[in-house]
Amino acid sequence: QKEVEQDPGPLSVPEGAIVSLNCTYSNSAFQYFMWYRQYSRKGPELLMYTYSSGNKEDGRFTAQVDKSSKYISLFIRDSQPSDSATYLCAMSGGSSASKIIFGSGTRLSIRP
Amino acid sequence: DAGVIQSPRHEVTEMGQEVTLRCKPISGHDYLFWYRQTMMRGLELLIYFNNNVPIDDSGMPEDRFSAKMPNASFSTLKIQPSEPRDSAVYFCASRGGLDFSGNTIYFGEGSWLTVV
Repeated sequence: QKEVEQDPGPLSVPEGAIVSLNCTYSNSAFQYFMWYRQYSRKGPELLMYTYSSGNKEDGRFTAQVDKSSKYISLFIRDSQPSDSATYLCAMSGGSSASKIIFGSGTRLSIRP
Repeated sequence: DAGVIQSPRHEVTEMGQEVTLRCKPISGHDYLFWYRQTMMRGLELLIYFNNNVPIDDSGMPEDRFSAKMPNASFSTLKIQPSEPRDSAVYFCASRGGLDFSGNTIYFGEGSWLTVV
């Protein structure tokens, strides 16, 4: 079993829809939770970062962490065609806090 | 800042040949990571360095892979001999010490390797 599981999609939604992306994980030591966005033929870029449990909002993006369920989510409100990309969750913590483990990524397409 | 710089951007090589991928991390960053990305396996951590010292190489698939970091501004990932199943995008990433953004790492544009 992988340490981090993420549905690869693809996910296609109309412009303006609310998008929900999710990851589950098995390592209870994880404390840092991140979402990266990767456009085609580019390297991943950090989108949002949270430490431990709770919610964090940044514009149209909201990240949620539920450590009791080992489940993290990214919500995108009022989705735009420019949001079309692959979204990767990432996490680290415990004795190997510098070792960042990524999910496989969910490919998202926003239809105009 | 120029960001993480990788070379070559694209490489096509024949099976059995040696491949060397290069990376220049962001100046001042003391962590350097090598990742491999494929459709089947996603983004896998191969090895990472702290202050030029390899810390965890448990992700290196086999002895054909080796990585070095001779100084703070340069690292290489070598595959010898290369095989078709090594075809992937290889990313280098770097990070400074734990700061407000926690474990933010910055990726290069990737080296697209095709072994035929």
